[in-house]
Formats: sequence, C-alpha cells, structure tokens
Amino acid sequence: GAGVSQSPSNKVTEKGKDVELRCDPISGHTALYWYRQSLGQGLEFLIYFQGNSAPDKSGLPSDRFSAERTGGSVSTLTIQRTQQEDSAVYLCASSLGHRNQPQHFGDGTRLSIL
Amino acid sequence: GENVEQHPSTLSVQEGDSAVIKCTYSDSASNYFPWYKQELGKGPQLIIDIRSNVGEKKDQRIAVTLNKTAKHFSLHITETQPEDSAVYFCAASTQGGSQGNLIFGKGTKLSVKP
Repeated sequence: GAGVSQSPSNKVTEKGKDVELRCDPISGHTALYWYRQSLGQGLEFLIYFQGNSAPDKSGLPSDRFSAERTGGSVSTLTIQRTQQEDSAVYLCASSLGHRNQPQHFGDGTRLSIL
Repeated sequence: GENVEQHPSTLSVQEGDSAVIKCTYSDSASNYFPWYKQELGKGPQLIIDIRSNVGEKKDQRIAVTLNKTAKHFSLHITETQPEDSAVYFCAASTQGGSQGNLIFGKGTKLSVKP
C-alpha cells in the first residue's frame, strides 16, 4: 500500500520567505509527527498530532514554526520568515496511534534557505 | 526528558562479519525502542523494534537486545552484506502518556566492505 508522502521533495527559497511543507500520512493512521534532520544529525522532534486531541507542539523551535492537520489526515508545516538555520530535511511520520505502534516515515522535504 | 546516546558514530566491517551498535537511554519510563535504517536521500525505514517486556528479538540477520536495568539496547547484524551499508538510528519512546514522539540517537554510519 501507499506509504507516507511528502511534498515537495526539495525546496529552495530566499531568506525571509514563508514556506509550506505537506505530508500525506498512511490511510487510517491517526497519529502524525514532524521531525527535523540537520546535516549529519539525528532527528529532532517538532510536533505531534493524535486524532482530535490538541497537538503536542513542545518541539517547535520558535514561533515562526506552525503546523496544522486538516480532517485528521493531511498536515502542513509552515515556516514563516525563513532563516538560514532552518535549512534541513523535514520528515513526516505516521502511526496507528495506539500504544507503541511503529512510526513510518516519508522521504522528507529538503529545505535550503539561501 | 529522555536522552539517547548512540555508539559508535561510524563503523566499518568486512562483508560477512557482524556489526553491533549500542544505545543507552536516560528515562526509565521508556518502553518502546525501534531501530531505523536510513539510506542516502531517503527517509528512515523501520527495521526492528522491541518493547520493554521483551529482552531480545530476532528477524533473520538482525537482532535487538534490551537491558532495562542498565538502560541500554543494542542492534546486532550478522553476516553483513554491502547493501547493509547505511546510517542506523536507535530511538526511545515513553508512549504511555500524551507524548508519543521518538527521541533519536545521533546515528551510526555503517560501511560494509566487499
């Protein structure tokens, strides 16, 4: 079946611009996660959606970062007034949402801020 | 909060040899430990996971062991092949509460020489 789909796969933009990154989770997965991976580093948690509950935003690095999930499916991560340090690969994962269910990742969006 | 340490950062083995990657975690409440393989330009792919009520789990050439008392877990790959070359990440999660995100180690770059 279809896995987690992310778009665009690559995004190059100028400093100060806003960007939107999209994630289509696996059908039926109620939990959705965003992570950030800087060059040669591990994954850093950003935000977590579970069903209709309020999202866990504890990993967002600044108020320039926000995310929403519409209709319990597709999610959009928005970065406003981008800075060069925002350059990274942004990864989305989804899971069934029950206790200890595996998270399945998309291939990410590689964001480059000029 | 949880902290995951992973060693070594790089590992080079000859084809056919075994490879071992070790991780430690800090939060004794952590109860789910997945391992991911990430190839260049791709998202992390789940290869095996273990829950805290189990001490060891095997899947063909891959095995994971968990020592809850010492708070460490290890990935063992036997009869390594060149296609095993990738970056491997361990992670830990306390998915019992509202926070379902994974805390990742910084990764191990495995190179299998033919």
